[in-house]
Amino acid sequence: DQQVKQNSPSLSVQEGRISILNCDYTNSMFDYFLWYKKYPAEGPTFLISISSIKDKNEDGRFTVFLNKSAKHLSLHIVPSQPGDSAVYFCAARGLNDYKLSFGAGTTVTVRA
Amino acid sequence: GAGVSQSPRYKVAKRGRDVALRCDSISGHVTLYWYRQTLGQGSEVLTYSQSDAQRDKSGRPSGRFSAERPERSVSTLKIQRTEQGDSAVYLCASSSLSGGRVAEAFFGQGTRLTVV
Repeated sequence: DQQVKQNSPSLSVQEGRISILNCDYTNSMFDYFLWYKKYPAEGPTFLISISSIKDKNEDGRFTVFLNKSAKHLSLHIVPSQPGDSAVYFCAARGLNDYKLSFGAGTTVTVRA
Repeated sequence: GAGVSQSPRYKVAKRGRDVALRCDSISGHVTLYWYRQTLGQGSEVLTYSQSDAQRDKSGRPSGRFSAERPERSVSTLKIQRTEQGDSAVYLCASSSLSGGRVAEAFFGQGTRLTVV
């Protein structure tokens, strides 16, 4: 049973525009959320995270928004660049839980 | 190197055979995970261990999967009696403790297993 869901398998966006990736979760015990980025033939790399005590975390062009009541988070990439083309995974875990639960991923393609 | 490395990168196994996949994690990391990633279905955690436990928690999707840590920074995922449905990319990840909280995980490149 998928506790973390990314319902959009792919996203295509023009260079310079905003990319918005969505993620929903079902486990109300999750309190820490992460986004990972994965290039082909490489392992996922950590991108940005947010704790449940916040509703927004920003790091350069990347911003993650958390809506706890809706059990929804999103990743915004502004402006999108060709190097952002990759698969993005949403992940979550509970308080002091060592196990990360991942979504299925969203493939982002940034068009020049 | 300073990252997580996995070997082999590619593995072909005959159905019914046992396979072992190796992961060298980052020195000093406490927690080690094994994930299975299949196209379009995301990643499911197979095992994870904390501290220097010799034998990891296991069980998903069945008892055919187990992991051992002969050394703190080395883990071996063992798959018994492989099935064609086991064909996937197997990812290893490790993470440290940061102020009592688990920090983000660092992943290896994965081992692509094909069961024929």
